[in-house]
Amino acid sequence: GAVVSQHPSRVICKSGTSVKIECRSLDFQATTMFWYRQFPKQSLMLMATSNEGSKATYEQGVEKDKFLINHASLTLSTLTVTSAHPEDSSFYICSASPPTWQETQYFGPGTRLLVL
Amino acid sequence: AQTVTQSQPEMSVQEAETVTLSCTYDTSENNYYLFWYKQPPSRQMILVIRQEAYKQQNATENRFSVNFQKAAKSFSLKISDSQLGDTAMYFCARNNFNKFYFGSGTKLNVKP
Repeated sequence: GAVVSQHPSRVICKSGTSVKIECRSLDFQATTMFWYRQFPKQSLMLMATSNEGSKATYEQGVEKDKFLINHASLTLSTLTVTSAHPEDSSFYICSASPPTWQETQYFGPGTRLLVL
Repeated sequence: AQTVTQSQPEMSVQEAETVTLSCTYDTSENNYYLFWYKQPPSRQMILVIRQEAYKQQNATENRFSVNFQKAAKSFSLKISDSQLGDTAMYFCARNNFNKFYFGSGTKLNVKP
């Protein structure tokens, strides 16, 4: 149980375009999901908390107009990187907590974004 | 400050031997949870073990166990009978109102 999926696993796009990444909880409902960013050989950095039916909460220094988050259902959160630039190239990971283990986060497999 | 510190950037261990990864953290809360996650080359984050701060008994999951010292705010991970598949980055984490704070990670190499 507690499986989280992400799609796509890898995406390459041109500078200036927008990219959407999906995060799904497959066997549980999640009112809250989290989006992280990880640079090579570094730790995970929390970008934002995605709340079902309400606005996402962004961490300090993360541009909310740049990284649009939508949590339209209890099993799906999306992260859209708008007007992507090469510096947005990174590994993006989502996580969610099942109702019975709300203190524990289960992670998706990640999405590698490369902006040319 | 809500910090998690892993002071060992990289460690090596011979297959079948035991290795301990260190982690210290800072918190003003009395009840919280601590975690160790493994990130293999695939980069999938995998939960290894978790510890509830109000439980004095150290958590154990097969070959993985922790040494939780609440007063010292220390949370080390012991891997027994190391296997080649244990080669990965290991991240210590603490939650705070469902937000996770991660350490910088320890790269573990298990040598045949």
